[in-house]
Amino acid sequence: GENVEQHPSTLSVQEGDSAVIKCTYSDSASNYFPWYKQELGKGPQLIIDIRSNVGEKKDQRIAVTLNKTAKHFSLHITETQPEDSAVYFCAASGSSNTGKLIFGQGTTLQVKP
Amino acid sequence: NAGVMQNPRHLVRRRGQEARLRCSPMKGHSHVYWYRQLPEEGLKFMVYLQKENIIDESGMPKERFSAEFPKEGPSILRIQQVVRGDSAAYFCASSGQKYQETQYFGPGTRLLVL
Repeated sequence: GENVEQHPSTLSVQEGDSAVIKCTYSDSASNYFPWYKQELGKGPQLIIDIRSNVGEKKDQRIAVTLNKTAKHFSLHITETQPEDSAVYFCAASGSSNTGKLIFGQGTTLQVKP
Repeated sequence: NAGVMQNPRHLVRRRGQEARLRCSPMKGHSHVYWYRQLPEEGLKFMVYLQKENIIDESGMPKERFSAEFPKEGPSILRIQQVVRGDSAAYFCASSGQKYQETQYFGPGTRLLVL
């Protein structure tokens, strides 16, 4: 079945360091990979996304890479700040092509000042 | 431009009662998705609707759960005869086009079943 594995489940870094979160998806038909940030008590907020015709995308301190052959994609946050502390979710589009997203289990990122 | 709106934000029900959750998509969006998030877990897809049509309900439990998105008004997720296991956060997302696939989420409704 459709599945997305996300690692690590928790990540603690010092302010200014980089953070990397990795995801693996099962369905080779997936072609859209968004990343969401969720703060306590709030809904997920889209921070960056990538489509399968692109290998890397960057937006200021945030970058995402995609390896379709290995079915891996990763989120990279550089120069982390305390306000980056949140739960981050990766997702992959479902094979039914209805726009359904399959989410990873989430990574709790803590940035220590 | 208002984002996705959901109400109520918090809902408490006793076992056996009905829960109705509402979602108004972003202005100009006609595609609505419902997801459920259990404590300490990721989001699980439930249903995808367009105006007056259910497109994909592969994630909906077979019984007690239903969803609609009428021509006028918000999308409704209805849970009949709630049980404690229904306690979760329910999120609605909307998009402008199916193949655009960029989904914007609302703040969620936190359902607690006593």
